[in-house]
Amino acid sequence: DARVTQTPRDKVTEMGQEVTMRCQPILGHNTVFWYRQTMMQGLELLAYFRNRAPLDDSGMPKDRFSAEMPDATLATLKIQPSEPRDSAVYFCASGLGTATEAFFGQGTRLTVV
Amino acid sequence: SQQGEEDPQALSIQEGENATMNCSYKTSINNLQWYRQNSGRGLVHLILIRSNEREKHSGRLRVTLDTSKKSSSLLITASRAADTASYFCATDEANYGQNFVFGPGTRLSVLP
Repeated sequence: DARVTQTPRDKVTEMGQEVTMRCQPILGHNTVFWYRQTMMQGLELLAYFRNRAPLDDSGMPKDRFSAEMPDATLATLKIQPSEPRDSAVYFCASGLGTATEAFFGQGTRLTVV
Repeated sequence: SQQGEEDPQALSIQEGENATMNCSYKTSINNLQWYRQNSGRGLVHLILIRSNEREKHSGRLRVTLDTSKKSSSLLITASRAADTASYFCATDEANYGQNFVFGPGTRLSVLP
């Protein structure tokens, strides 16, 4: 049963610490999305990769966030330094382009205290 | 800014009734998709409708698309308590820009 796997599921960290979230897309998928979900802002698109190349990261605060795909089986989202306002659920999704459905992971719930 | 905007924000109905949610968007699109999210979990794809299609069905779901009005609707017939969830639309813009952007969602509560 193919699925998108995100780790960790929950993360509590102190302000100023580095946070790394990982995503394993479904094998064969060439498109990876990172979203952040909060009650206030809803689902925000942070970054979008196709064939491991970033196509759109305009939604991501560049000063502290970075997203990479070291290889086709791993996508990472890093926050350094983390701030309380970064507290949210971060979702990764993968697919075969934007013309087909995206498959979402279960998310990483980040709490920055 | 969000491309898709769902309304209503919240909807409460009785089991067995039909639920209709709407999505409006701003620019030309290639396709529009509807997703469901159960509390605290990842989104699940429901249905995709392409810009040259006007209506699609999947089980108890019916989606319409009106590109002249830049709007779509999702109808869930004979609702069940298990349909209680948030529903989101996502659009794929025809001109490269913000792709796969979600609206704020409609929170549906189906009461037994």
